[in-house]
Amino acid sequence: SQKIEQNSEALNIQEGKTATLTCNYTNYSPAYLQWYRQDPGRGPVFLLLIRENEKEKRKERLKVTFDTTLKQSLFHITASQPADSATYLCALVGANQAGTALIFGKGTTLSVSS
Amino acid sequence: GAVVSQHPSWVICKSGTSVKIECRSLDFQATTMFWYRQFPKQSLMLMATSNEGSKATYEQGVEKDKFLINHASLTLSTLTVTSAHPEDSSFYICSASAGGRQETQYFGPGTRLLVL
Repeated sequence: SQKIEQNSEALNIQEGKTATLTCNYTNYSPAYLQWYRQDPGRGPVFLLLIRENEKEKRKERLKVTFDTTLKQSLFHITASQPADSATYLCALVGANQAGTALIFGKGTTLSVSS
Repeated sequence: GAVVSQHPSWVICKSGTSVKIECRSLDFQATTMFWYRQFPKQSLMLMATSNEGSKATYEQGVEKDKFLINHASLTLSTLTVTSAHPEDSSFYICSASAGGRQETQYFGPGTRLLVL
């Protein structure tokens, strides 16, 4: 069966450290994968998209890698700050009733303590 | 950046009543809108995909007669939860894309529904 798993429900780190979040998928062949940030009671906010032919993508303190052999994406936040505390969702394109749709993982809730 | 709004942001209703949630793209034309539902500590689950001027396509397990979707214009889609029951209490989120490009979806802030 198809799965998209973010294998840590929660991650607690100290301010200034690098947070690394993992997204694994099975039985998908996504052309791209996305990462979103979601704050409590809010909709997701798009952060980064990485395509299957890209190994790495960066945006300010964020870095995403995509390994289609391992079927895994890693999301890094360097020099983390308490303001980075949120739930981070990965999403990829999968088949649905309308053709294709974004399929989301459950998310990893990151807490950065000062 | 593109902005999507939802109204209301939260609603409490009695069991058996119907609730309408609006999703608007404020500064772009959304040819496709998506409706998601999210239960606590769960992922966003796609309920339906709607294209302007045509019937919505519902995901398996989503009752089309219970969750009525109307996408009458390029900037507005509505989700009506008919005869709501406590188990329909959830966080409903819409997203919109221009030109049907799913890789560029803009999400609304969500609507919290509580059915008593």
